[in-house]
Amino acid sequence: DTGVSQDPRHKITKRGQNVTFRCDPISEHNRLYWYRQTLGQGPEFLTYFQNEAQLEKSRLLSDRFSAERPKGSFSTLEIQRTEQGDSAMYLCASSLDGLPTDTQYFGPGTRLTVL
Amino acid sequence: GENVEQHPSTLSVQEGDSAVIKCTYSDSASNYFPWYKQELGKRPQLIIDIRSNVGEKKDQRIAVTLNKTAKHFSLHITETQPEDSAVYFCAASPSGGYQKVTFGTGTKLQVIP
Repeated sequence: DTGVSQDPRHKITKRGQNVTFRCDPISEHNRLYWYRQTLGQGPEFLTYFQNEAQLEKSRLLSDRFSAERPKGSFSTLEIQRTEQGDSAMYLCASSLDGLPTDTQYFGPGTRLTVL
Repeated sequence: GENVEQHPSTLSVQEGDSAVIKCTYSDSASNYFPWYKQELGKRPQLIIDIRSNVGEKKDQRIAVTLNKTAKHFSLHITETQPEDSAVYFCAASPSGGYQKVTFGTGTKLQVIP
């Protein structure tokens, strides 16, 4: 499968615990995006990377959230001290520079449940 | 920031009929408008997109129209089929989609056989 992959697909954790998600973009894609989707809503932008540089962060990304893309390939999203309000689907997308417009290809998501 | 509104939130049509979903956006700088289809439990998938220098784009049974002056764009699906049943999201981006994409709240389309 050459699409965007995410791991794990599901995560159940207790409030206060830390969690980390991984996203592997399509191999030649240099841009990587994180979104959060709650039930009945569209994806909400969290942050994006161009290669290893994190270029924009949403106000939704509180101090408890941190994202990295150290080598410009895979990315991790960490949530510290999880809260019940963090329960959502976390989607990763990737795209390739150099085209007239940027089609963002989404991964299957990681569903987080905070008990 | 950009705000995208989408209507209706639910839409039921008979198989073979047409379906229309409408969206408005607020940021006049937006220049790229993708539409995504999301089936239950699956990832959003791009079905069609349009750039601001184009008024209409068609791909088989799917078409999108854009009115920049009024800041609204619409998705038209003709000859609907049961497999078209899904949630559809419109979206807007001010940078060709190369940065943040703002999504609408979604339209749940049900095609009744």
